[in-house]
Amino acid sequence: DAGVIQSPRHEVTEMGQEVTLRCKPISGHDYLFWYRQTMMRGLELLIYFNNNVPIDDSGMPEDRFSAKMPNASFSTLKIQPSEPRDSAVYFCASSLEVLGNTIYFGEGSWLTVV
Amino acid sequence: SQQGEEDPQALSIQEGENATMNCSYKTSINNLQWYRQNSGRGLVHLILIRSNEREKHSGRLRVTLDTSKKSSSLLITASRAADTASYFCATDLTGNQFYFGTGTSLTVIP
Repeated sequence: DAGVIQSPRHEVTEMGQEVTLRCKPISGHDYLFWYRQTMMRGLELLIYFNNNVPIDDSGMPEDRFSAKMPNASFSTLKIQPSEPRDSAVYFCASSLEVLGNTIYFGEGSWLTVV
Repeated sequence: SQQGEEDPQALSIQEGENATMNCSYKTSINNLQWYRQNSGRGLVHLILIRSNEREKHSGRLRVTLDTSKKSSSLLITASRAADTASYFCATDLTGNQFYFGTGTSLTVIP
């Protein structure tokens, strides 16, 4: 399998612009996670889906952030409007249904908002 | 909120030495995992230890778990320059929702 695939790998955008990050999980994985990593706050869970349904979005920082999973092979994380403090690495990850399974991470999307 | 906290935050050793990292957590867990992150890359799973296990080995890795102290340690024996990375512990509270610690940055000097 190709692993979790994220795009874009790098994005630089101006404050106020809309940012869309994309993720293709590993085929057959029922759980999909979006994480954000910064030096100050470490790795934070933003939201996760089970069978395409959002289960917990309590980590989403504010209404400017939204995530969707229209089907089992695709998810998006959208920031609108973006702000400089959103600059971070955003990771998508997926795992199998069974409790205590390995979480497989993508390579991340490096976002810089100027 | 973060569940796991690694200690030390940074560790620098000579190649061939052993590296030990510790993780403390706050509440009861089902499983604890260790992940590695190379600079500029995603996290990669190293090892999982269940709450009813006390020790686990995988190659040069040795993980211990002390549920009474709510702590775990990761030992890398005979370290190599390629082991240079950040190491994170992750604990699960409910199902597949893992919480990651702040990480230990390991530098192995050739």
